[in-house]
Formats: sequence, C-alpha cells, structure tokens
Amino acid sequence: QSVLTQPPSVSGAPGQRVTISCTGSSSNIGAGYDVHWYQQLLGTAPKLLIYGNSNRPSGVPDRFSGSRSGTSASLAITGLQAEDEADYYCQSYDSSLSGSPNWVFGGGTKLTVL
Amino acid sequence: EVQLVESGGGLVQPGGSLRLSCSASGFTFSSYAIHWVRQAPGKGLEYVSAINNNGVNTHYADFVKGRFTISRDNSKNTVYHQMSSLRAEDTAVYYCVREVYYHDTSGLLGHWYFDLWGRGTLVTVSS
Repeated sequence: QSVLTQPPSVSGAPGQRVTISCTGSSSNIGAGYDVHWYQQLLGTAPKLLIYGNSNRPSGVPDRFSGSRSGTSASLAITGLQAEDEADYYCQSYDSSLSGSPNWVFGGGTKLTVL
Repeated sequence: EVQLVESGGGLVQPGGSLRLSCSASGFTFSSYAIHWVRQAPGKGLEYVSAINNNGVNTHYADFVKGRFTISRDNSKNTVYHQMSSLRAEDTAVYYCVREVYYHDTSGLLGHWYFDLWGRGTLVTVSS
C-alpha cells in the first residue's frame, strides 16, 4: 500500500487530454511538500518529468503539466501521443512520526494510448 | 556524459549478502546526495536508502532494519550499497539516483526530487 495513491491505469486516444491524480495526506502533500513526477517507458529507468509541482526539466514537452492543491496533485498530458505510453509515478516527502526521513512514491499509473 | 552506472547485482540465496556499486561521471559527485530506489518485478518504486554529499549522514527505509549499509568514496565517484540477510522480497531492480534539494520561498520546508537515474541493477534472492 503506497503512501501516495494513484489510479492503476488511465487511457486515451491520440490527441486527447488525460490526467493522473496523486492523493496524499496531511503528513506529505497536505503538509506542503512538493510533488514530482517521473515517466518510465517500458523496460527503462524512470525519468524526471515534472519537479516542484509544475516545473518541466529541459527537454520535456509542454504537453506535460502538473499542479498541486490541498492533499493532492495532478499530472496532465495534452495532445496525447503514442510515445507517451508509459508508467507514471508521483513522488513527495512524508514527515512521519517515526522521525526517519521518508521519501515516498505513488503506486504508479499505466497510461495506455488507444 | 552525465550518468550513474550501477553494478554488482545478481542471484543470491536467502540470507546471503551482496554489494552494489554506483559509479558517477560527468558532474561534481561530491556535491550531491545519492539515494537507492528499488522496483520489484511488476511493482512500483520504493525508497531504500540515502547518503548525503560527504557521507556523514545516512538514512534508511524502515524495512531495511539494519540489514543494508550505504557508503560512498568521493575520491572514486562511487556509492556502495552493502546488503545482507537478504530475503526473497528484496528481489528488485535497484536504481542509484541523484538528489536535488531545495527550500521553498518561505524557507520553512525542504523539498527533494531525483533528477538523474542509473539504468539499474537486478538483484534476485532465490534458492
């Protein structure tokens, strides 16, 4: 059970817009910790897609955008393309009561381009 | 080229030990904290351990429970991950990742993300 909750799968046709949600709690996203997103193409390592809730690293198309509100965050992909088919993970930090630093990930969402 | 390259994975019996290495190149290694993140077959990503830039501070996920040790040698641009008392549930691809840390504008909260990932090394724990 991941600390951050994502839908297991989403799908969309080429050209459409899809969103992927990432739901946390008062000890992570709700505490103000930023959310970051990673894209993992089949058989490859994850790659940073969005950092600081809504910032894109150099080279990431502006079709990808992110936002955060309350205890949740969202990744939006517009103008869906076949090469966007991948697994997407959100990541944040959790200030748990144990006191140990805890970097947390969502369970991942598989995006299928129909 | 800016990269991280993991090595040392393989097949090990339950209860056995393994040492992973992460070799960095193309950037000032001693300026960055490094984490290990793992991914079990068909599963999601999971933080395992972290070490700060000078090796003084280390952190571990609760499930490690003293079984793993992370260390680094900045003179060799390498991070090590010694794993012992391995269990079947430790079977995963282990990724070495570079941390970026920043404060928000209020200065009250720190934030972390991972901007560089290695290709990973597969650890299989099985008899």
